Amino acid sequence: DAGVIQSPRHEVTEMGQEVTLRCKPISGHDYLFWYRQTMMRGLELLIYFNNNVPIDDSGMPEDRFSAKMPNASFSTLKIQPSEPRDSAVYFCASSFGRGYTFGSGTRLTVV
Amino acid sequence: QKEVEQNSGPLSVPEGAIASLNCTYSDRGSQSFFWYRQYSGKSPELIMSIYSNGDKEDGRFTAQLNKASQYVSLLIRDSQPSDSATYLCAVTTGGSGNTGKLIFGQGTTLQVKP
Repeated sequence: DAGVIQSPRHEVTEMGQEVTLRCKPISGHDYLFWYRQTMMRGLELLIYFNNNVPIDDSGMPEDRFSAKMPNASFSTLKIQPSEPRDSAVYFCASSFGRGYTFGSGTRLTVV
Repeated sequence: QKEVEQNSGPLSVPEGAIASLNCTYSDRGSQSFFWYRQYSGKSPELIMSIYSNGDKEDGRFTAQLNKASQYVSLLIRDSQPSDSATYLCAVTTGGSGNTGKLIFGQGTTLQVKP
């Protein structure tokens, strides 16, 4: 079991550029979550999917953020255009039944 | 009112002491409760889960749940310097069964001093 895999580990981009974060959940897990962590706001739930279907995206901060899950083994979180205030660590987590396992995260810096 | 509240700390305890971490939550319908440990620069790691009232013990860790008071706690016995980390309380809300939205508190920073 390779765990939840996120890429890239680090991303530095200029303001206004498009950023795509990727996540591969644990095989067999039917829930997938995207979180953002900052010092000020802690771990915030952005969106989650069940069986590839978005269930709740109320945490997505604005229309610049979008997420997709085209199949059970892949999800993306896209920010377009990016802004400096989007700088944070973005975590993906997956779950089946009980227990939520986190990926290593993507540290995004927008300059 | 925040959905999950924790004292941010830091909580400082001497090595070998008991560390007590507390958490309150607002959704009375919540059914699953978790404690995660997060070392600086790392991802959250699940250390305890609890689903029914009472105590659940796992090694040096004991989770306690009181649904009537909407209160969850984590006790760490014989605290070690390696336990120094941020401890995140997480609660499922708005879903059914044991899944659904997993909402986190801000976390409590624990410092165990040798």
